Amino acid sequence: KQEVTQIPAALSVPEGENLVLNCSFTDSAIYNLQWFRQDPGKGLTSLLLIQSSQREQTSGRLNASLDKSSGRSTLYIAASQPGDSATYLCAVSPSGSRLTFGEGTQLTVNP
Amino acid sequence: DAGITQSPRYKITETGRQVTLMCHQTWSHSYMFWYRQDLGHGLRLIYYSAAADITDKGEVPDGYVVSRSKTENFPLTLESATRSQTSVYFCASSHSLQGLSNQPQHFGDGTRLSIL
Repeated sequence: KQEVTQIPAALSVPEGENLVLNCSFTDSAIYNLQWFRQDPGKGLTSLLLIQSSQREQTSGRLNASLDKSSGRSTLYIAASQPGDSATYLCAVSPSGSRLTFGEGTQLTVNP
Repeated sequence: DAGITQSPRYKITETGRQVTLMCHQTWSHSYMFWYRQDLGHGLRLIYYSAAADITDKGEVPDGYVVSRSKTENFPLTLESATRSQTSVYFCASSHSLQGLSNQPQHFGDGTRLSIL
């Protein structure tokens, strides 16, 4: 059974800092990996999707990497802003028909 | 506006009652999904549907029923609600299977369900 772990569970940083969120998964046979953002009381917003054949994806200040063989992904946020405060969720698609989620990292960026 | 909408946003009901959560999407996405989100468990898939009249179980389907008579709607029914089904429920849709394209899942804002 695929398990997804995200470390740390919570992170508080000052504005402007570069930061890395970690995601690990137990079964390397995945189709893709997706990073989401969730704001309080809201649904999930897709940030980046990395296909299994890719090593990384970038969108603005966000960069996500994928190392299938080691079962790891990182989400790098450059020059963090208070508006980046949210919970970040990692999810893998092991079979193409469903997502398995980690429990998320709650990020607080302090002005 | 195009998107995915869930209703109601909040619902309180009693154990043993039947309750239906609604999900509507305007993108004509073929795939739709229901998840529940609980502290300590994250998001878990309840049911999903590949097209109208095609549904399949996810990780935690017991106690739930789904139907998909139209592509745009995917209601979730709790036939006899239990306190363990108190949760936040999210509906999602995607153009195609996650693994066969680069199309992500799009989520609604959720329904917060409390069962007393």
